[in-house]
Amino acid sequence: DQQVKQNSPSLSVQEGRISILNCDYTNSMFDYFLWYKKYPAEGPTFLISISSIKDKNEDGRFTVFLNKSAKHLSLHIVPSQPGDSAVYFCAASSEDFGNEKLTFGTGTRLTIIP
Amino acid sequence: ETGVTQTPRHLVMGMTNKKSLKCEQHLGHNAMYWYKQSAKKPLELMFVYNFKEQTENNSVPSRFSPECPNSSHLFLHLHTLQPEDSALYLCASSQVWQGTGEQYFGPGTRLTVT
Repeated sequence: DQQVKQNSPSLSVQEGRISILNCDYTNSMFDYFLWYKKYPAEGPTFLISISSIKDKNEDGRFTVFLNKSAKHLSLHIVPSQPGDSAVYFCAASSEDFGNEKLTFGTGTRLTIIP
Repeated sequence: ETGVTQTPRHLVMGMTNKKSLKCEQHLGHNAMYWYKQSAKKPLELMFVYNFKEQTENNSVPSRFSPECPNSSHLFLHLHTLQPEDSALYLCASSQVWQGTGEQYFGPGTRLTVT
């Protein structure tokens, strides 16, 4: 049973437009939600996170929205740039005796079209 | 070296071989993790170490044997693997009790079992 789901395996967006990546979760006990970005032959890199007690967090071109009632979060990238082409993973964090246990989605491959 | 490094980057081994994966973090963190990423599946947490002590074994078969001699180094010893163990193995590190779930990943070892 997947607790974190990314239902869109891929997304193509024109350069300069907004990219919206979506993620759904089932466990209400998650403390933080995170987005990671992964280029080929590299490990995932942390992009942005949001606490479960907030509904929005913004960092430059990246904004994450959290809708707790719908158990849904989204990552908005605006304006989209060619360097944003990568696989984006949604992850949810739960703390267990100091361990930050991350549960990941399957990822969405974002392609920015020049 | 900076961040999290992993060696080797690629490994091909037979089912009767014994090999080891190495991870080193240069971030001063005190928690380290092994993850497995198979095709079209989410990253799966395998093991967690806090201050060199194993705190999580996520029902991983005994043919995978982790070792954490200190907070900066993590090994994954492999023996008598199966072809279905072919995957990308990622190491990550974080600060215990950080509270945000943020983890830093290495580039991974692409393992092929023949």
